[in-house]
Amino acid sequence: GDSVTQMEGPVTLSEEAFLTINCTYTATGYPSLFWYVQYPGEGLQLLLKATKADDKGSNKGFEATYRKETTSFHLEKGSVQVSDSAVYFCALKRSNSGYALNFGKGTSLLVTP
Amino acid sequence: EAGVAQSPRYKIIEKRQSVAFWCNPISGHATLYWYQQILGQGPKLLIQFQNNGVVDDSQLPKDRFSAERLKGVDSTLKIQPAKLEDSAVYLCASSGEWNTEAFFGQGTRLTVV
Repeated sequence: GDSVTQMEGPVTLSEEAFLTINCTYTATGYPSLFWYVQYPGEGLQLLLKATKADDKGSNKGFEATYRKETTSFHLEKGSVQVSDSAVYFCALKRSNSGYALNFGKGTSLLVTP
Repeated sequence: EAGVAQSPRYKIIEKRQSVAFWCNPISGHATLYWYQQILGQGPKLLIQFQNNGVVDDSQLPKDRFSAERLKGVDSTLKIQPAKLEDSAVYLCASSGEWNTEAFFGQGTRLTVV
């Protein structure tokens, strides 16, 4: 079945460091791919998405490119801030499932000053 | 615009007791989802409604879990009887159209002791 695999956390970085969180997927057909973020004490929020191969999603300085050849959707940010500390979830959606999402296990990010 | 409302925010029960969670989606949203998020894992879809009809309940443990959306607006998720492994955050999400972004509530944290 469809699934998403994320790198294990926690990830600890110093402010202004470069961030990469790896995400690979297994799916039939052509899923849409997402990154969600969960800040402490808050609900899940959509960070960015890509709906087809080679699409790049971007938001708040974060980027991820849908790579069909490597079945990946890695999240990157050039310079993290303390306020980016949160749990990040990679997710996929099949084209015929409405907005039902398959999530990865999440990667906790802690950015220190 | 008001977001997805869930109640209660927290619930502690003993095993074998029953519990119910309530979700009020964003006004006008036809599609509603319930997810279970066990600590350290990503959310897992339990059930998906389109108006008051069930679209997908393949991952709902039907021997103990039930959900309804009688008037196609708010929804309840029930567990009877609860087990220790049901301890989790139960998330509700809604979307306006079948394939549009779903918005998440803050969830109900259930602890079964």
